[in-house]
Amino acid sequence: GQNIDQPTEMTATEGAIVQINCTYQTSGFNGLFWYQQHAGEAPTFLSYNVLDGLEEKGRFSSFLSRSKGYSYLLLKELQMKDSASYLCAVMDSNYQLIWGAGTKLIIKP
Amino acid sequence: EAQVTQNPRYLITVTGKKLTVTCSQNMNHEYMSWYRQDPGLGLRQIYYSMNVEVTDKGDVPEGYKVSRKEKRNFPLILESPSPNQTSLYFCASTPWQEQGPQHFGDGTRLSIL
Repeated sequence: GQNIDQPTEMTATEGAIVQINCTYQTSGFNGLFWYQQHAGEAPTFLSYNVLDGLEEKGRFSSFLSRSKGYSYLLLKELQMKDSASYLCAVMDSNYQLIWGAGTKLIIKP
Repeated sequence: EAQVTQNPRYLITVTGKKLTVTCSQNMNHEYMSWYRQDPGLGLRQIYYSMNVEVTDKGDVPEGYKVSRKEKRNFPLILESPSPNQTSLYFCASTPWQEQGPQHFGDGTRLSIL
């Protein structure tokens, strides 16, 4: 079956760096997405990786290794507003999105 | 402003009483889909539509119906709601077959008693 694994919850300190990992096993691969979701709100798009390597967007970066079925989202200079859930989603060979359950990130002062 | 609009945002109803959740997008997107989100399970796709009059089942279609008579609208219909359909529902759209970031509506929290 298809599977996306992410840690359930992580805690980090304001101003620090945190890395959220995502491993996947899917029928084919057509890209990996990261979304941010604040409690009770809709997910918002953060990044998209389809080739191996690092994509940087301001304080957020996302890395992909297709051979390892692995991605991470790196958040730098953490702010309190970064407290949210981070969702990893992989597009399979049928162009269907498979979603992970999300990682709840708690930022402490 | 580009947006996906869902209504209602919140609904409490009883088992068996038919309900419809509307979804409308103003971005001329071909691809629309419905998800439900339950604690610990992530987003699960209910139905999707690649264009007008084209709809397909997602991972959890049982108990739901959809229609796509116009490009902008994609309503979700619960003919006979049951308590296990209590969930947070999201409608989303993309310019083409999921090959791009999805634009989500604000969500609809349904409680079926």
